[in-house]
Formats: sequence, C-alpha cells, structure tokens
Amino acid sequence: QVQLQESGPGLVQPSQTLSLTCTVSGGSIRSSDYYWTWIRQSPGKGLEWIGYTYYSENTYYNPSLKSRATISVDMSQNQFSLMLSSVTAADTAVYYCASLGTYFAWGQGTLVTVSS
Amino acid sequence: QTVVTQEPSLTVSPGGTVTLTCASSTGAVTSGYHPNWFQQKPGQAPRALIYSTNRKYSWTPARFSGSLLGGKAALTLSGVQPEDEAEYYCLLYYGGAGVFGGGTKLTVL
Repeated sequence: QVQLQESGPGLVQPSQTLSLTCTVSGGSIRSSDYYWTWIRQSPGKGLEWIGYTYYSENTYYNPSLKSRATISVDMSQNQFSLMLSSVTAADTAVYYCASLGTYFAWGQGTLVTVSS
Repeated sequence: QTVVTQEPSLTVSPGGTVTLTCASSTGAVTSGYHPNWFQQKPGQAPRALIYSTNRKYSWTPARFSGSLLGGKAALTLSGVQPEDEAEYYCLLYYGGAGVFGGGTKLTVL
C-alpha cells in the first residue's frame, strides 16, 4: 500500500516560489500504475486540481495556473515535487499530493500560507 | 475556462436514496471524462469513492454507486447512513487535465 507524505515550508513570501515535496513509501515512483498528482484546497473552499505526472514522461497542468506550476520527479529519492512561482495570497491553501484512479493514495496535506 | 457544476447542497433522510450529479460546461459527460467521486468530512482529507465512472475501491461502501445519467456523471447513495453527511466532489478529465466540481454538501436529516 503506497503512502504519501508532503513536506515543505509552511510560509512563503508573496512573489516567491512555493516548493513542496511528496515522499512515496511502499511503492516505486517509477511505477506506471500511478498518476502522481497535486491538489490544493483554499481555506473553506473546494478542491482544485493542480496537475499530475505519469510515468515521469507525461505531465498535465491546470490551465488556470498560467504556467506557474511545475511538477517533477526525483527517482533517486522516490519523490515528486511541485513548484509554484510568483505566489500571491490566493495561493494560500492546504496542498495535497495524491495518486488518483485505479491505484489511489492521498497524503495528509500541508498548509502553505503566502504572507509577508 | 471549463466549469464542472454540482448541486451546492442536498438533504436526505436516513435510509433514503439521493443522487448527486456532475455536469460539464462543454456538454454531455461521457466515460471518456473518467468521472471520479470524493467524500470529505470536516477537518479531514478527501477520500476517493469512485473512479472511471462506476468503479469502486475496496473501501467504498456498497450503498455508493457511480453512473452516467442524463448527460451527467452521477453518484447515488442508497440507504443513506448518518455518517454519509459530508461534502462530495466530482472530478472530470479533459484531455489529461482534471477539473473538480464545486462540491455538494449532503445533509442527512
């Protein structure tokens, strides 16, 4: 059973880059069974799909993030990451890493606050 | 900008049946949108219930079922339990990119 754990700074300054890592345990980041996904939820709001990478070769993003998001994989560390540039207060949210579809896994989430 | 629309809120009596729907601004929802359904209770992370329209996970209670209904994705709860009170989100895929619906707050009363 794959388990996921998010890590990264809880506070990011406006205009800076948010950087989060998801550590995968109980399975391989190389597996083609998993769609490594980032999702966020602003306080009191609904879920927002950020993007996913599949088999480290195909990556899809939410068009509304206007190319600010980058998802990458570190096979040596069995991790995948999210970078979100030029953040504003609107990017304050709980960020979840997950694998959706046939093989489901979901991290506990990490709150990132954008504030000076 | 693609919009996925769900009922903002629904109320159902214990033991009753309720259907939540998920519509796409692009037209009829088909299996090609790979509808997913998630349940979220206050203070908790979301939990997946359904993927690929109607496929269940090992932990999905039998009373939950997914389908396509009238051009929408649908989640039906039969024999609703008090613990089913929660927010429910659908997720549709558009050529690889996912879009969540705004969520349906289900009240069991």
